[in-house]
Amino acid sequence: GAVVSQHPSRVICKSGTSVKIECRSLDFQATTMFWYRQFPKQSLMLMATSNEGSKATYEQGVEKDKFLINHASLTLSTLTVTSAHPEDSSFYICSAIGTVAGGPDTQYFGPGTRLTVL
Amino acid sequence: GQSLEQPSEVTAVEGAIVQINCTYQTSGFYGLSWYQQHDGGAPTFLSYNALDGLEETGRFSSFLSRSDSYGYLLLQELQMKDSASYFCAVTNNYGQNFVFGPGTRLSVLP
Repeated sequence: GAVVSQHPSRVICKSGTSVKIECRSLDFQATTMFWYRQFPKQSLMLMATSNEGSKATYEQGVEKDKFLINHASLTLSTLTVTSAHPEDSSFYICSAIGTVAGGPDTQYFGPGTRLTVL
Repeated sequence: GQSLEQPSEVTAVEGAIVQINCTYQTSGFYGLSWYQQHDGGAPTFLSYNALDGLEETGRFSSFLSRSDSYGYLLLQELQMKDSASYFCAVTNNYGQNFVFGPGTRLSVLP
């Protein structure tokens, strides 16, 4: 149980285009989903926290108009990187907490999406 | 502010025991978690401590001292597959805010 999927796993796009990444909890209801960004050999940096049906809470320094987050249901959250630039190239990982064993302090991570902007 | 500190690298041989320390400075501390991440993969949950003391899960154990703002992950009977990065993470509020440490890269040698 507690499986989180992400799609796509890898995406290459041209500068200026928008990219949408989906995060799904497959076998549980995710009351909260988190979006992280990780640069090579660095730690995970929390970008935003989203609760189903409400606006996402963005961390300081993260542009909410550039990184659009929609948590439309208890099993789906999407991150859209708008007008992507090469500096947005990174590993984007979502995680979810919800109605599973381990309680609200156990995050279940998706496999990540590697974004490369040319 | 919030900050966590971990050693950047640790090296050990198969069968050995390794301890990875984590110290933190945060507001509203709720619990300390540990995650493992292999190169190119996503983090996977290892353990969680909300109360002082030792939590044991198979070969992995985790310890927390809230008064010292300190915890550690203990890996026993090391195997080659344990080579990975290990992150401690602090929960500040009830499941609503996670801050990750910089990570410790563990290399297990034959």
